Amino acid sequence: GQNIDQPTEMTATEGAIVQINCTYQTSGFNGLFWYQQHAGEAPTFLSYNVLDGLEEKGRFSSFLSRSKGYSYLLLKELQMKDSASYLCAVSGDYKLSFGAGTTVTVRA
Amino acid sequence: DGGITQSPKYLFRKEGQNVTLSCEQNLNHDAMYWYRQDPGQGLRLIYYSQIVNDFQKGDIAEGYSVSREKKESFPLTVTSAQKNPTAFYLCATHVGLSEAGSYNEQFFGPGTRLTVL
Repeated sequence: GQNIDQPTEMTATEGAIVQINCTYQTSGFNGLFWYQQHAGEAPTFLSYNVLDGLEEKGRFSSFLSRSKGYSYLLLKELQMKDSASYLCAVSGDYKLSFGAGTTVTVRA
Repeated sequence: DGGITQSPKYLFRKEGQNVTLSCEQNLNHDAMYWYRQDPGQGLRLIYYSQIVNDFQKGDIAEGYSVSREKKESFPLTVTSAQKNPTAFYLCATHVGLSEAGSYNEQFFGPGTRLTVL
């Protein structure tokens, strides 16, 4: 089975940094994805990690530790448009298992 | 324009009626997926198909049915047996097994919001 946990909500100020944690216990592992989803819209791909370590892509970075079953998504220099839900998803057996998502609210 | 089309964006049905949600893609992807999203529960997998004329049940297949007669199309039927069908339904595609070993993300359609009255 799959068990993927992430916080429900986080609030931060414009220009600040926010770290969204994701822990997982899965029967198979072929990588971890982070998606961004604005309300009422489709999720869009942010990052992928399959090896331990940090992947940096502009203002967004994602970290993975396979031995700990742990990942985080780091959002830097927060902008109002970053207010959205962030979904952690684990890939295995040619399908994705999603966490419930973390709603990030950016305040001016 | 390459992409995934889901129509309609909003759909209303009376309780007890079957309804079919469409998903069409021109990305030439082999794999297609259907997810359901409810508030606070993330995305849950209903059915998926890795290749034409083949599909597998996901985590919450009861009350749903699918077909995959063409590579481009993966319609989902919500039957009257589905006890709580009101939800946001998302279709996704993936390049498929031919790319195993290299990462490829799933691409999502715009979704259909189904409300059963």
